[in-house]
Amino acid sequence: DAGITQSPRHKVTETGTPVTLRCHQTENHRYMYWYRQDPGHGLRLIHYSYGVKDTDKGEVSDGYSVSRSKTEDFLLTLESATSSQTSVYFCASSREAGANVLTFGAGSRLTVL
Amino acid sequence: DAKTTQPNSMESNEEEPVHLPCNHSTISGTDYIHWYRQLPSQGPEYVIHGLTSNVNNRMASLAIAEDRKSSTLILHRATLRDAAVYYCILRANNAGNMLTFGGGTRLMVKP
Repeated sequence: DAGITQSPRHKVTETGTPVTLRCHQTENHRYMYWYRQDPGHGLRLIHYSYGVKDTDKGEVSDGYSVSRSKTEDFLLTLESATSSQTSVYFCASSREAGANVLTFGAGSRLTVL
Repeated sequence: DAKTTQPNSMESNEEEPVHLPCNHSTISGTDYIHWYRQLPSQGPEYVIHGLTSNVNNRMASLAIAEDRKSSTLILHRATLRDAAVYYCILRANNAGNMLTFGGGTRLMVKP
C-alpha cells in the first residue's frame, strides 16, 4: 500500500481565511486526486493531477486551487474559505490509470465558521 | 467519462452471500471496472477490479457480464464488518480520466 498522509486531519477556520490542505505520498505515484465528501453527495472530485505541474479541474472545482510542484505533494488551497466548503476532504493516489488501484488518505475534516 | 448506476442500499444477513450490482452501459473497451468500499468514518479502500474476465481475491469476487455493460461484486459470506458503502467506478487507461464516484450502495448487514 502507498504511504499517503493528509494534513491537517482536523481544522476549524473562519469565513474568508485562506486554507491549505496537504497530501503527501511516498510511493512515487503519478496520479493524485482531491475529493470532498458531504452527506447525500458521496465523493465529488475537486481537482486531479497526472504529473508534476499537470493538473485539471474536477466536477466541483470552483473556489479551490491546487498545486503539484513535486511528485509526492499535492496541495489543495481554499483562497477564501466559505461555510459551503465545510466538508471532509480525501486525497488519493495511484501509479498509473486503468488497472492501477487508488489508495486513499484518512481524510481531513474542515469546518468553516 | 462513462457513468455507473448502483442501487442506493441493500440489506443482507450475516454469513450469507451478497451480490452488489452495477450498471455501466456506456463503458468503453479500455475502461477497467473498479470496486471500492468505505467503512464508517474512514477513507475508501480498494476491493477488486477487472477488465473482461471474472476476478477473485481474498475479499470478494467480481463477475463481469459478457457485454461488459454490467458487473456484480460478490461477497461470499457477509460479516458485520462488511457494512459499508460500496462504489463501482470505471477507470480509463488514459491521463485525462477524471475518475468519478457515484453515490454507491450502502450495504447493511443484519446479525
